[in-house]
Amino acid sequence: DTGVSQDPRHKITKRGQNVTFRCDPISEHNRLYWYRQTLGQGPEFLTYFQNEAQLEKSRLLSDRFSAERPKGSFSTLEIQRTEQGDSAMYLCASSLGLAESPYEQYFGPGTRLTVT
Amino acid sequence: AQKITQTQPGMFVQEKEAVTLDCTYDTSDPSYGLFWYKQPSSGEMIFLIYQGSYDQQNATEGRYSLNFQKARKSANLVISASQLGDSAMYFCAMREGDNYGQNFVFGPGTRLSVLP
Repeated sequence: DTGVSQDPRHKITKRGQNVTFRCDPISEHNRLYWYRQTLGQGPEFLTYFQNEAQLEKSRLLSDRFSAERPKGSFSTLEIQRTEQGDSAMYLCASSLGLAESPYEQYFGPGTRLTVT
Repeated sequence: AQKITQTQPGMFVQEKEAVTLDCTYDTSDPSYGLFWYKQPSSGEMIFLIYQGSYDQQNATEGRYSLNFQKARKSANLVISASQLGDSAMYFCAMREGDNYGQNFVFGPGTRLSVLP
């Protein structure tokens, strides 16, 4: 399978705990994106990387959220001191990073986070 | 203001019939791209079709076509010969400029149900 993979698929945690999610993009894709999707809504942009550089971070993103992409390959998204409002599906996507290209984003299956 | 509007929360279509899912967008950038994604109950976002703002012809991909009306700022998805497997959430998305970060936004989605 050469698609985008995410781990874990489901995570249940207690409020106040830290959680970390992993995303492995398609190997030749140099752009990687994180989105959050709540029930009945479209995905909401969180952050994106070109290779190992984090180029943008949503203005809405709390400082409890941090993402890394060491060596420009896989990425991790960490949420510290989780709150019930963090419960959502966290989607990762990757794309080719050519300027002016229409290249679509390919999404992984998502990690569903439930904070109790 | 909403960048992407999808006015149909839910749609029903009979198997083998065609269906149109509406999408209107708002941008002042002359260069933009419009995308449609399908999200089955499994949760994975699947890219369907892309239309660039400078493309002269409407995009087509198999049973999917995009009815692009630039002056009206609409980009409706047409699915011909609906199949039971088409039942899913459908999201319209827009990229403004060539930036896939903050300027890549999704609409709220339309849930399509195909009836046997």
